[in-house]
Amino acid sequence: QITLKESGPTLVKPTQTLTLTCTFSGFSLSTSGVGVGWIRQPPGKALEWLALIYWNDDKRYSPSLKSRLTITKDTSKNQVVLTMTNMDPVDTATYYCAHRRASHCYTNWGQGTLVTVSS
Amino acid sequence: QSALTQPASVSGSPGQSITISCTGTSSDVGGYNYVSWYQQHPGKAPKLMIYEVSNRPSGVSNRFSGSKSGNTASLTISGLQAEDEADYYCSSYTSSSTSVVFGGGTKLTVL
Repeated sequence: QITLKESGPTLVKPTQTLTLTCTFSGFSLSTSGVGVGWIRQPPGKALEWLALIYWNDDKRYSPSLKSRLTITKDTSKNQVVLTMTNMDPVDTATYYCAHRRASHCYTNWGQGTLVTVSS
Repeated sequence: QSALTQPASVSGSPGQSITISCTGTSSDVGGYNYVSWYQQHPGKAPKLMIYEVSNRPSGVSNRFSGSKSGNTASLTISGLQAEDEADYYCSSYTSSSTSVVFGGGTKLTVL
């Protein structure tokens, strides 16, 4: 059974750096073809894809946010970490991590964590 | 990259069928058979309903089906049930980021 869970601060101040951790079980991020992605959803708005890391450490980022995002993995801990710099109130959203299968879809999602950006 | 275009809302009565469209470009929907559909109930995480245009994951009702023509993909739900009332999002692989882009979402109301 695949499970994922996001953790991190619920409140950050403008200009600060957000660090979120995705802890997963039921699969290995060292298995060929596997990936873990991050997707966010502002309150009442649509899903927005942010970043993806593959089993081979290849990384992909949203073109519009690439300069602010960094995704890393710790295979031994079954964790993926997303950092986003220079946070702004418009970055207030529920942040999800999800397991990516080979056909570019996300089969299993974490419960999400709401991050509010406010001074 | 621009989001895929979906209607903001659709509605139908129990037992009826509805179709939700998802329009992109040749760089995403039209260029690859990697269109997925997600269902999201309020306060819940999205759930994968369709992948690779028309494939259903194990456990998803066969009332849900997907198709694609040109740059537009479609999700059809037949035999509408009250529990189908939710937001639906399409996504597609896109060559612009070599990952995925989501649609703006469609709110399905079961009358």
